[in-house]
Amino acid sequence: DAKTTQPNSMESNEEEPVHLPCNHSTISGTDYIHWYRQLPSQGPEYVIHGLTSNVNNRMASLAIAEDRKSSTLILHRATLRDAAVYYCILTALYGGSQGNLIFGKGTKLSVKP
Amino acid sequence: DSGVTQTPKHLITATGQRVTLRCSPRSGDLSVYWYQQSLDQGLQFLIQYYNGEERAKGNILERFSAQQFPDLHSELNLSSLELGDSALYFCASSVDGTGAQDEQYFGPGTRLTVT
Repeated sequence: DAKTTQPNSMESNEEEPVHLPCNHSTISGTDYIHWYRQLPSQGPEYVIHGLTSNVNNRMASLAIAEDRKSSTLILHRATLRDAAVYYCILTALYGGSQGNLIFGKGTKLSVKP
Repeated sequence: DSGVTQTPKHLITATGQRVTLRCSPRSGDLSVYWYQQSLDQGLQFLIQYYNGEERAKGNILERFSAQQFPDLHSELNLSSLELGDSALYFCASSVDGTGAQDEQYFGPGTRLTVT
């Protein structure tokens, strides 16, 4: 499985944009990029996913580099509720493990009021 | 609320015992996944079921087993429990479970404490 690298922690101020980076230099052409987050004392929560093009939804935006070796999750206006661990995960289109999520350590985002 | 329910919320038991964790997926979801989250190992994928059949296995111990019933709920059975099995156990579900695009919806988890 292709691996991802994320910073251990990041800090943000409330109501400011947050850019969470993820490196995945060994990504294959058919791997999807998923982001999940886990708020304190809760189960992981789906945020967004994409393949090649940038994606937007009500929670966030996903910017994918042209060579797909990195991506950035963008929270447009951080709120205190966005304080969580954010996981960047690759899922394989082919092979026995498609769809299964392999979690790394993620990035712990702190949001200051 | 993800729509995935898990029972019980907390479970305290002794070493050597056997427990069963239960999960009801979101309405319409055919696939169920089980994950374990411990302080030292992080979140680990255990096993996936799709429409009653085992689809994929991860780092699941031989002492652990799971099944998915015709009504699509799933149970994770943990036997000969050891102190190291103390963890949060999450269930997730997805509509299909056959592809890399699936969004998984997680339940609130069952916290297992083995004493």
